[in-house]
Amino acid sequence: RKEVEQDPGPFNVPEGATVAFNCTYSNSASQSFFWYRQDCRKEPKLLMSVYSSGNEDGRFTAQLNRASQYISLLIRDSKLSDSATYLCVVKSNDYKLSFGAGTTVTVRA
Amino acid sequence: EAQVTQNPRYLITVTGKKLTVTCSQNMNHEYMSWYRQDPGLGLRQIYYSMNVEVTDKGDVPEGYKVSRKEKRNFPLILESPSPNQTSLYFCASSLYGVSFFGQGTRLTVV
Repeated sequence: RKEVEQDPGPFNVPEGATVAFNCTYSNSASQSFFWYRQDCRKEPKLLMSVYSSGNEDGRFTAQLNRASQYISLLIRDSKLSDSATYLCVVKSNDYKLSFGAGTTVTVRA
Repeated sequence: EAQVTQNPRYLITVTGKKLTVTCSQNMNHEYMSWYRQDPGLGLRQIYYSMNVEVTDKGDVPEGYKVSRKEKRNFPLILESPSPNQTSLYFCASSLYGVSFFGQGTRLTVV
């Protein structure tokens, strides 16, 4: 079983729509959680950290469910510029970072 | 400007010809790592280093070597490249789990 699993998508949504997707992790001792964004095989860049109580950054909302071992990302009012691959990253207590394979989102005009 | 610099960006080489991909960071991070990215497989960790002279294997270390003689540099060495090492490679430095990536090296081994 992979340490971090994501639905690869693609999620194809119109501008202005809301899109949400999850990421599951297998290590219950995982400590920190992040969402990264990657454009067209460029380097991944941090989108946001995920806090236990959930957090928002503009149109982006991240949630953590430790009991079910998943994190989620919700994008409201989608823009064309949100088209990208979103990577889920989990940090375990031994400092190991595990990456999901990514969820592709395409926002169409 | 905080950055991770890796070189070269593109490299085509032949099987068996030793090569080194350099990686340098200017953020004084202790943790650095190398990843390869292949379609459908996501980022897989090759090696990581928690500090100078401390390195450890990641998930796919076979065929690779690394060294960490100084904090800012973390080169990736392929002693005898093979076609299955054709991939997109990223170096990253991290602090508290937040990673900063280099721009990537697209390696083709023929």
